[in-house]
Amino acid sequence: EAQVTQNPRYLITVTGKKLTVTCSQNMNHEYMSWYRQDPGLGLRQIYYSMNVEVTDKGDVPEGYKVSRKEKRNFPLILESPSPNQTSLYFCASSFRWNTEAFFGQGTRLTVV
Amino acid sequence: EDKVVQSPLSLVVHEGDTVTLNCSYEVTNFRSLLWYKQEKKAPTFLFMLTSSGIEKKSGRLSSILDKKELFSILNITATQTGDSAVYLCAVERSGNQFYFGTGTSLTVIP
Repeated sequence: EAQVTQNPRYLITVTGKKLTVTCSQNMNHEYMSWYRQDPGLGLRQIYYSMNVEVTDKGDVPEGYKVSRKEKRNFPLILESPSPNQTSLYFCASSFRWNTEAFFGQGTRLTVV
Repeated sequence: EDKVVQSPLSLVVHEGDTVTLNCSYEVTNFRSLLWYKQEKKAPTFLFMLTSSGIEKKSGRLSSILDKKELFSILNITATQTGDSAVYLCAVERSGNQFYFGTGTSLTVIP
């Protein structure tokens, strides 16, 4: 089944403790991106990747890192999480940047 | 500043009604506009629009783009309870980035 898989689905952590949210797609898509969704602000793009080893900042990259060492994986790293990073995070992939995106099921992150 | 504005924020209708959702944008170097439906969690793709005046249709849903007036509409005819969701509009801009509106929440009452 074609899908984008995020893990974990839910995470509660403490301020400053490094964490990684994984994202994997099985559709051989070139373009992958991370979004956060907050009430009243909609989906905001954090980082995106056009292909392996090619990543770039979106609208709200501060406090996040990403890597794209393999085509299928695009992990989101929070080196030192803070409470303002509490949010619902979505990973998405598409064949290319200008085609429809497939979204993962989301990761609900709470930083206390 | 780039922005995508959706209206109305929220809408409650009865089954069988027709609804029109709006998306206006001010984005540098516009490339395309996309509509997504978000039910419980993950948004799912509805339409991608790149050219003005060409309507895209899928069943009871249709959408059109006006690049001169910088807006798009999403129409849903003969609404059903299964249409209840948040509808998101996204604009692709230069640099392969995407900018989303805050969405329109649609509730269809039986």
